[in-house]
Amino acid sequence: SQTIHQWPATLVQPVGSPLSLECTVEGTSNPNLYWYRQAAGRGLQLLFYSVGIGQISSEVPQNLSASRPQDRQFILSSKKLLLSDSGFYLCAWSVVWGETQYFGPGTRLLVL
Amino acid sequence: SQQGEEDPQALSIQEGENATMNCSYKTSINNLQWYRQNSGRGLVHLILIRSNEREKHSGRLRVTLDTSKKSSSLLITASRAADTASYFCATDDERGKLIFGQGTELSVKP
Repeated sequence: SQTIHQWPATLVQPVGSPLSLECTVEGTSNPNLYWYRQAAGRGLQLLFYSVGIGQISSEVPQNLSASRPQDRQFILSSKKLLLSDSGFYLCAWSVVWGETQYFGPGTRLLVL
Repeated sequence: SQQGEEDPQALSIQEGENATMNCSYKTSINNLQWYRQNSGRGLVHLILIRSNEREKHSGRLRVTLDTSKKSSSLLITASRAADTASYFCATDDERGKLIFGQGTELSVKP
């Protein structure tokens, strides 16, 4: 069966520090991968998606970046965090583009 | 861009009652999905209904889709305290990306 992992679960970082959030998927090959951010009490904002290794599409201009160094690994990074980067970050994968997505447990990031 | 808008934003009911949540969207879709999120957790997929389908069932869940009104509803029958969560609808845009609504927060009191 397929499993998706995200870590860390919680992160408190000072403004200006770097960020690296990791997401890995098990039990499937060549998944579509997604990074979302969810502000408190709000819906999900799509940040990045990837349909294959090394292929990254960005949805919103910001100081975040994403990489897909391996087929089932998706990394969200920042060189310098802003206060506005605080939020709940969710990684997801899908088999079929535009259809069911399977979400990880999320990372709660607090930038102080 | 199109977006699913859930209504109501919050719903509080007693255990055993039915809960109905609605979703409206703006442009044509290929499918509409409903997800559930327990507090502080990831989203869990509930049901996908395609644009040529009108109704779909899964256990105590019933989803309807009216493409002429660009709306969908999620009915949870005989609700339980464990159904307490936020429920999101998601529609696919013209490029196939999912656009999520702001969610309905359901509270089921025992």
